Amino acid sequence: QSALTQPPSASGSPGQSVTISCTGTSSDVGGYNHVSWYQQHPGKAPKLMICEVNKRPSGVPDRFSGSKSGNTASLTVSGLQAEDEADYYCSSYTGGNGWVFGGGTKVTVL
Amino acid sequence: EVQLVESGGDLVQPGGSLRLSCAASGFTFSSYMMAWVRQGPGKGPEWVAKIKADGREKYYADSVKGRFTVSRDNAQNSLYLQVDSLRVEDTAVYYCALDADYSFKSWGQGTLVTVSS
Repeated sequence: QSALTQPPSASGSPGQSVTISCTGTSSDVGGYNHVSWYQQHPGKAPKLMICEVNKRPSGVPDRFSGSKSGNTASLTVSGLQAEDEADYYCSSYTGGNGWVFGGGTKVTVL
Repeated sequence: EVQLVESGGDLVQPGGSLRLSCAASGFTFSSYMMAWVRQGPGKGPEWVAKIKADGREKYYADSVKGRFTVSRDNAQNSLYLQVDSLRVEDTAVYYCALDADYSFKSWGQGTLVTVSS
């Protein structure tokens, strides 16, 4: 299973929005509504930010939102804040009880 | 509060073995599927293995099938990963994660496995 495709970097000024794409195939992103997004600060473990395409776990700010169209999922961070600067990874269920992750996008707050 | 604490990582030669452990607390461990996810240096995470709540069903990534074995002890609230026939490309931080609703809801801090001669 090939990794999902993410842009290596994205940036925005405080208060602006940034959107990260995650492109897969009909065997993963396009085939299931089981897309998740994780935030990872340097030296820390990943943290779940979005599950099931667009659901926010308890405690995740509503500035974070997810969507999907066809084989591409997206994460939007609105009202960027300094603490949002991190690596973001998408993940999709692939069927057969497996998962695939993206290569990650480094978000920089200018 | 969910807490997952991994241990057992080490520097090992190619072909060697290790047993990774994950101590769980703060939730009803025996009710949840658990998973191992690894992250190589500078890379994205990679799902490695999953075990159902009762331990009877186990699933593995193709890259580790036949070399890694996941197990759990619900009486001890513990998850394990036996890693055998290690390769240089297995070098990574190994995380245990609470698997729920097709996502990894909570992660431990990870344990580093380095495979090198």
